[in-house]
Amino acid sequence: ETGVTQSPTHLIKTRGQQVTLRCSSQSGHNTVSWYQQALGQGPQFIFQYYREEENGRGNFPPRFSGLQFPNYSSELNVNALELDDSALYLCASSLILAGAEQFFGPGTRLTVL
Amino acid sequence: GQQVMQIPQYQHVQEGEDFTTYCNSSTTLSNIQWYKQRPGGHPVFLIQLVKSGEVKKQKRLTFQFGEAKKNSSLHITATQTTDVGTYFCAGLNYGGSQGNLIFGKGTKLSVKP
Repeated sequence: ETGVTQSPTHLIKTRGQQVTLRCSSQSGHNTVSWYQQALGQGPQFIFQYYREEENGRGNFPPRFSGLQFPNYSSELNVNALELDDSALYLCASSLILAGAEQFFGPGTRLTVL
Repeated sequence: GQQVMQIPQYQHVQEGEDFTTYCNSSTTLSNIQWYKQRPGGHPVFLIQLVKSGEVKKQKRLTFQFGEAKKNSSLHITATQTTDVGTYFCAGLNYGGSQGNLIFGKGTKLSVKP
């Protein structure tokens, strides 16, 4: 069984740039959720994708967008990067069941200068 | 908006001592999940509680869900150095998409051998 993988591991960008983060879900999982974890904080829900459509969104602006592909992998895109976007971005896959266990990937550490 | 609060923020214990972290939600939850994040790692699912007043045990870990489904606790008996990490509770609202977990800020546990 292959776990959740994310790429890249680390990324450095400057303010105003755009970034794309990638996630491959665990085998058999059809749902992907993205979280932002600032240093010393708990993960904050960005959005979730199921069957290639957004299935719930947290309190994040539209410059945070995503995609899910037929193989259930996913991308998180962030436009017009701000300094406060510096964080660990976590992808979690699961089955589309109420309260299903989230399997987190190792995360992408994004630094915005 | 809904908030999930955790206390304490930090806990330092001697190996063999007990440890408890508490989680409180501003709203009634559908269920609550607990995750552990080791330093430099990603959150790993520990358990899910669904029923009012539910108590679950995993070896030295005991999890409780309050009668009103607004609070929860995690108790570790006789801590070991392998218990080091940050423990997060994450609540799911009724009607919320299953990925929209609201995480607390976590309790960081350090264990002195």
